[in-house]
Amino acid sequence: NAGVTQTPKFQVLKTGQSMTLQCAQDMNHNSMYWYRQDPGMGLRLIYYSASEGTTDKGEVPNGYNVSRLNKREFSLRLESAAPSQTSVYFCASRRAGRTDTQYFGPGTRLTVL
Amino acid sequence: AQTVTQSQPEMSVQEAETVTLSCTYDTSESDYYLFWYKQPPSRQMILVIRQEAYKQQNATENRFSVNFQKAAKSFSLKISDSQLGDAAMYFCASLYNQGGKLIFGQGTELSVKP
Repeated sequence: NAGVTQTPKFQVLKTGQSMTLQCAQDMNHNSMYWYRQDPGMGLRLIYYSASEGTTDKGEVPNGYNVSRLNKREFSLRLESAAPSQTSVYFCASRRAGRTDTQYFGPGTRLTVL
Repeated sequence: AQTVTQSQPEMSVQEAETVTLSCTYDTSESDYYLFWYKQPPSRQMILVIRQEAYKQQNATENRFSVNFQKAAKSFSLKISDSQLGDAAMYFCASLYNQGGKLIFGQGTELSVKP
């Protein structure tokens, strides 16, 4: 069991470039999440997918889009990167019941110049 | 809206001593869950302990325990017999019922002195 995997681990973009962060889980979890972590602000939810086929906005969705490709995969896309999107991005997944624990991937450090 | 506040940006403890990290939260829900996550320099988010709000008994996990004061909306983490490997950023989080979303505090960076 690899758990939650994220690619890439590091990425540098120029302002205006686009990219997709990939996330996959092999735990047969229903719900998946994307967070960003900025210094002094903890983790903030960008988008989530409560179940396959559904996606919803979180706290800071502007500038991002997501796709729940199938039950395993949940991608995050930056269409036109901005320096304000420089951050560490975490993907997480959760089995089913609302009380179930979220398991996190190792994170992607993104720098936008 | 739910909020989680950690008022201690940094804490320090001597190895083998006990340290308590503070967390307060605000929620309008009657049934909720609280968590402490540890983030070492590797960046991996590791669940330390969880507390169900309907349970009066404080959760414990080996050297980690919580002091859950529901009326005061306080959820502190106590680390006993601190070890060098406990040095990390610690995040308090509450579970938002809709979609199972987590709301995180700002984090407390814990250093352990040998």
